[in-house]
Amino acid sequence: DGGITQSPKYLFRKEGQNVTLSCEQNLNHDAMYWYRQDPGQGLRLIYYSQIVNDFQKGDIAEGYSVSREKKESFPLTVTSAQKNPTAFYLCASSMRDRLYEQYFGPGTRLTVT
Amino acid sequence: AQSVTQPDIHITVSEGASLELRCNYSYGATPYLFWYVQSPGQGLQLLLKYFSGDTLVQGIKGFEAEFKRSQSSFNLRKPSVHWSDAAEYFCAVGITGGGNKLTFGTGTQLKVEL
Repeated sequence: DGGITQSPKYLFRKEGQNVTLSCEQNLNHDAMYWYRQDPGQGLRLIYYSQIVNDFQKGDIAEGYSVSREKKESFPLTVTSAQKNPTAFYLCASSMRDRLYEQYFGPGTRLTVT
Repeated sequence: AQSVTQPDIHITVSEGASLELRCNYSYGATPYLFWYVQSPGQGLQLLLKYFSGDTLVQGIKGFEAEFKRSQSSFNLRKPSVHWSDAAEYFCAVGITGGGNKLTFGTGTQLKVEL
């Protein structure tokens, strides 16, 4: 079955540590996205990538970094510079000619203490 | 910049009753419009979308939405709600030349009473 995989589902880290969240898709989609979800705030875009080896900052990129070395993979690193990293993180992807029609993975809940 | 407003944070309906979730957007032209549903601890699932044409669009799970340009609205409806519809619903907007970014509303939490 085609889809988007995010792992792990739950992640716990100590403050000051970097952590990388995985996102893999086998939909052959060109574009991939990372969102952050906090209660009562909807989804906010962190980074997105339309092609391999290229990505753009979203609305809240500070304290995050990404890479896009393969079409099917778009890992997100939450660095120690992110002041409030505890959140639910969602990865999405879309086809080149239907960029707005985004399909989401199951999410990773990150807790930093 | 475009914005999306979902004025109802929580809505409770009885099973079998009709449902309408409100969504208003702010943008000078006609945007692309979407409704997504999210079950607790899960990702978002696309319910329906509007790009152009017929202003009444049908989606999955018996949902429909109507685009009203004069009111800048894209309300989601279902004639008869099932207990399994309990979830959080998000309206989203995309604009041409917007760098393929979607702007999401803050969501409406639907509770269904049996």
